[in-house]
Amino acid sequence: AQSVTQPDIHITVSEGASLELRCNYSYGATPYLFWYVQSPGQGLQLLLKYFSGDTLVQGIKGFEAEFKRSQSSFNLRKPSVHWSDAAEYFCVVVQSGTYKYIFGTGTRLKVLA
Amino acid sequence: GAVVSQHPSWVICKSGTSVKIECRSLDFQATTMFWYRQFPKQSLMLMATSNEGSKATYEQGVEKDKFLINHASLTLSTLTVTSAHPEDSSFYICSAMGLDNSYEQFFGPGTRLTVL
Repeated sequence: AQSVTQPDIHITVSEGASLELRCNYSYGATPYLFWYVQSPGQGLQLLLKYFSGDTLVQGIKGFEAEFKRSQSSFNLRKPSVHWSDAAEYFCVVVQSGTYKYIFGTGTRLKVLA
Repeated sequence: GAVVSQHPSWVICKSGTSVKIECRSLDFQATTMFWYRQFPKQSLMLMATSNEGSKATYEQGVEKDKFLINHASLTLSTLTVTSAHPEDSSFYICSAMGLDNSYEQFFGPGTRLTVL
């Protein structure tokens, strides 16, 4: 069965530091991958997505992610974190043959001033 | 664009009563809507997939008689929690997918249900 793993439940970084959130998936073919952010009181917001093509994907708010087939990974990165980036981040893969999302367990980001 | 609303944003009800949650796509038509449940500090769990004009498809373990889903139009889906009990207390989130079926889901802000 397909699955998504986010190894880090919590991550704490200082404002201005770089960030990398890990995501590993299990899937036979090329997956459809997403990163969403969930802030309190707001709906999940799409940061970026990968379907095919260039493996380095640029998203909103200065985020990027790199698809690495050999490592079954789709890690999210940001060169300089802002205090407003504190939130819950979810990696998502689309279940094969459907439109259903399989969510990772999420990573809660805390940003220190 | 691609805004999804939910109403109410929070609701408190007594055990045994029913609660209806609305999910609307405000600026696009959605053939497919999804309902999720999220427990505190946990990920989203898909409850059901709702297609306009047809019966919802429920995930394994989700009681379809307790969680009634209606998708009467291309912009509205409703989730009714029937005979709610404290264990139904949770955060319910809907999402909608546009007519282009591009795999991208647009999420509502969620509804916090507390059953006393």
